[in-house]
Amino acid sequence: QKEVEQNSGPLSVPEGAIASLNCTYSDRGSQSFFWYRQYSGKSPELIMSIYSNGDKEDGRFTAQLNKASQYVSLLIRDSQPSDSATYLCAVTLSLTGGGNKLTFGTGTQLKVEL
Amino acid sequence: EPEVTQTPSHQVTQMGQEVILRCVPISNHLYFYWYRQILGQKVEFLVSFYNNEISEKSEIFDDQFSVERPDGSNFTLKIRSTKLEDSAMYFCASSPEGFYEKLFFGSGTQLSVL
Repeated sequence: QKEVEQNSGPLSVPEGAIASLNCTYSDRGSQSFFWYRQYSGKSPELIMSIYSNGDKEDGRFTAQLNKASQYVSLLIRDSQPSDSATYLCAVTLSLTGGGNKLTFGTGTQLKVEL
Repeated sequence: EPEVTQTPSHQVTQMGQEVILRCVPISNHLYFYWYRQILGQKVEFLVSFYNNEISEKSEIFDDQFSVERPDGSNFTLKIRSTKLEDSAMYFCASSPEGFYEKLFFGSGTQLSVL
């Protein structure tokens, strides 16, 4: 069973702080790694993708990947109350014929407090 | 900005009834997916569809489920005889060729089986 594990939280951080979200995955064949944000009752929204070891930065978000440790993380700098949501880690093997099957973690609930 | 459109937003049905959930993917996308999320649980892959056929399906996607692309724009999920445990939020997603890993999710259909 290919699994993606996340701490469900809630993770509470004060406004302006750095939020650090972590994820581990079991399948060493995983090729692509994603972070989705999901507000309550809404659909997942892609915020970051990462494919190779190291860091990838996009605005206030930094994704980090360590394939040897099967670990991916998301850092959110200068956290804002609007960042309060559930953050879903997702990994994928490429499907035969194209496309991707995403395997999601259960998500980490982030609360940014004023 | 183009988006994936799902209808209806809510569907209530009696156990044993057939339901059809409808999706209009983004127009130039070539890969189509259905995922579901039972309340409080992780987002789960159901099926992927490419080049007018199923490219992969999960163990959840049994003989009670079917997908169809009846014309150039719609993508449907049919559940033939609904069960109580089919109650969930169903998300349609699509991705473009060349960027097949970037899934765009619709807003979902909340299915309640009574």
